[in-house]
Amino acid sequence: GNSVTQMEGPVTLSEEAFLTINCTYTATGYPSLFWYVQYPGEGLQLLLKATKADDKGSNKGFEATYRKETTSFHLEKGSVQVSDSAVYFCALLGSSNTGKLIFGQGTTLQVKP
Amino acid sequence: NAGVMQNPRHLVRRRGQEARLRCSPMKGHSHVYWYRQLPEEGLKFMVYLQKENIIDESGMPKERFSAEFPKEGPSILRIQQVVRGDSAAYFCASSLPDGGIGQLFFGEGSRLTVL
Repeated sequence: GNSVTQMEGPVTLSEEAFLTINCTYTATGYPSLFWYVQYPGEGLQLLLKATKADDKGSNKGFEATYRKETTSFHLEKGSVQVSDSAVYFCALLGSSNTGKLIFGQGTTLQVKP
Repeated sequence: NAGVMQNPRHLVRRRGQEARLRCSPMKGHSHVYWYRQLPEEGLKFMVYLQKENIIDESGMPKERFSAEFPKEGPSILRIQQVVRGDSAAYFCASSLPDGGIGQLFFGEGSRLTVL
């Protein structure tokens, strides 16, 4: 079945550091891939998405490229801020597109001033 | 603000009681999803509903859990005879009729604590 694996957290960085959160997936066909962010006490918000191989999703300085050859969708940001502290979830939507997202376990990011 | 509305935000129940969690989707959204987030874990899919119809309930426990999305009113996730292991955050999400290509809009969650 479809699954998503993320690097374990927490990830602790200093402000302005470079961020990478790894995400790999297992899926049949051609899934769509997503990153969601959850700030403390809130629900999840869509951060970015990519619907086909080699697409790059980007938003708020975050980027992720859909790599079919490595089945990966790593999240990157060149310079993190304290306000980026949150839990980040990688997710996929299978090619059958029933609307059911499969989430990774989440990676907590802590950015220190 | 026409976001996804969940209530109650926090619910405390004793073992054996019933918990009812409500979700009103975003305006214009006819698809509702329920996810459960256990402490220190990711979100696990529970059920996917359209109005008056359950589309996919493959993530629902076989007993004590049920969900509905009536023609009028909010979606309800009902947990009968709660146990301590039901303590979790329950998130509702909604999407456009085409599934929004995976773009789900989430509520702020209902945090259930079972004493």
